[in-house]
Amino acid sequence: KAGVTQTPRYLIKTRGQQVTLSCSPISGHRSVSWYQQTPGQGLQFLFEYFSETQRNKGNFPGRFSGRQFSNSRSEMNVSTLELGDSALYLCASSPGGARDTQYFGPGTRLTVL
Amino acid sequence: DAKTTQPNSMESNEEEPVHLPCNHSTISGTDYIHWYRQLPSQGPEYVIHGLTSNVNNRMASLAIAEDRKSSTLILHRATLRDAAVYYCIRDFGNEKLTFGTGTRLTIIP
Repeated sequence: KAGVTQTPRYLIKTRGQQVTLSCSPISGHRSVSWYQQTPGQGLQFLFEYFSETQRNKGNFPGRFSGRQFSNSRSEMNVSTLELGDSALYLCASSPGGARDTQYFGPGTRLTVL
Repeated sequence: DAKTTQPNSMESNEEEPVHLPCNHSTISGTDYIHWYRQLPSQGPEYVIHGLTSNVNNRMASLAIAEDRKSSTLILHRATLRDAAVYYCIRDFGNEKLTFGTGTRLTIIP
């Protein structure tokens, strides 16, 4: 099976802009989670979608949002970008049951100037 | 407290066994322990998980203390490709992984 794919891999934006990142899960996986990784805060959970519904949410401002499509592909959006949003954004997929192993993609490196 | 406690860094010689410790003294009876690792410039990858008894797979072994307050990830024969940050995570069963700072493992040739 193909692994989790994320596009784009690298992105440069300026403050105030918005950005949309995409994640394609492993075929058959219904859960997609998003994480932010920064040198200062480490890996932090953003949110998780299962069957097109947000099932879990981390402690991030409302500028961070996401959605999931009927084919389980997911997008996350960050509006009004700030310098502190520069990070590696990781997507992980799993079948969707409790305690299922999560499979991570390579991430999207976002730089905000 | 949802987090686990791990040493910030460890070094090991190539082809030697490596024992990575993790403390999770507040773990509850239904929490699993998961280990993931993150190689340079990659997303985390699953290594192993367990609940009570020791577990083995092709990548590693997981030894869980009898009181479940600690566990040890064992790499039986470290290679240079095992150099990574290793995360020990309590799994509450809510599809949300809470990562700590992990242990940066350096393999010395």
